[in-house]
Amino acid sequence: DAKTTQPNSMESNEEEPVHLPCNHSTISGTDYIHWYRQLPSQGPEYVIHGLTSNVNNRMASLAIAEDRKSSTLILHRATLRDAAVYYCILRDEGNFNKFYFGSGTKLNVKP
Amino acid sequence: AAGVIQSPRHLIKEKRETATLKCYPIPRHDTVYWYQQGPGQDPQFLISFYEKMQSDKGSIPDRFSAQQFSDYHSELNMSSLELGDSALYFCASSLGPQGIYNEQFFGPGTRLTVL
Repeated sequence: DAKTTQPNSMESNEEEPVHLPCNHSTISGTDYIHWYRQLPSQGPEYVIHGLTSNVNNRMASLAIAEDRKSSTLILHRATLRDAAVYYCILRDEGNFNKFYFGSGTKLNVKP
Repeated sequence: AAGVIQSPRHLIKEKRETATLKCYPIPRHDTVYWYQQGPGQDPQFLISFYEKMQSDKGSIPDRFSAQQFSDYHSELNMSSLELGDSALYFCASSLGPQGIYNEQFFGPGTRLTVL
């Protein structure tokens, strides 16, 4: 399975944008890039996903590098409620029922 | 909107006992996934089911078994419990396994403590 690499932790100020990077240099052509987050004492929740093009939804934006070896999750205005562990996950089209969480990025948002 | 329901929310067992965790997926969801999250660790994929058939297997110990029933709910059976089985167990559901864009919806988890 292709691996992802994320910084262990990041810090942001409230109301400021946050860019969470993820490296996936061994990504295959059939791997989708998913982002989930886990708030304290809760189950993970879906944030966004993409394949090649940049994606936007009500929660965040996903910027995917042209060679797809890295991606960045963008929170446009961080709030205290965005403090969570953010996971970047690759889902292979051939094994989509396996879903492996790597070591995510713990985001701390300061008021 | 209805969410994934897990029961019980908390469970305390002794070593070598058995435990059964239950998961009720979101209505119309036919795929269920189980994860184990140890203290301070990331969630680990255990097993998944689609239409009552096992679809994929992760790092599930042989002491554990699971199944999905005709109403799509799933049960994770754990025998000969060990101290290391103490963890949060999450269940997730999705609508169909086809289309890997299908997001998984996670339940609140069952916290299992083995004494």
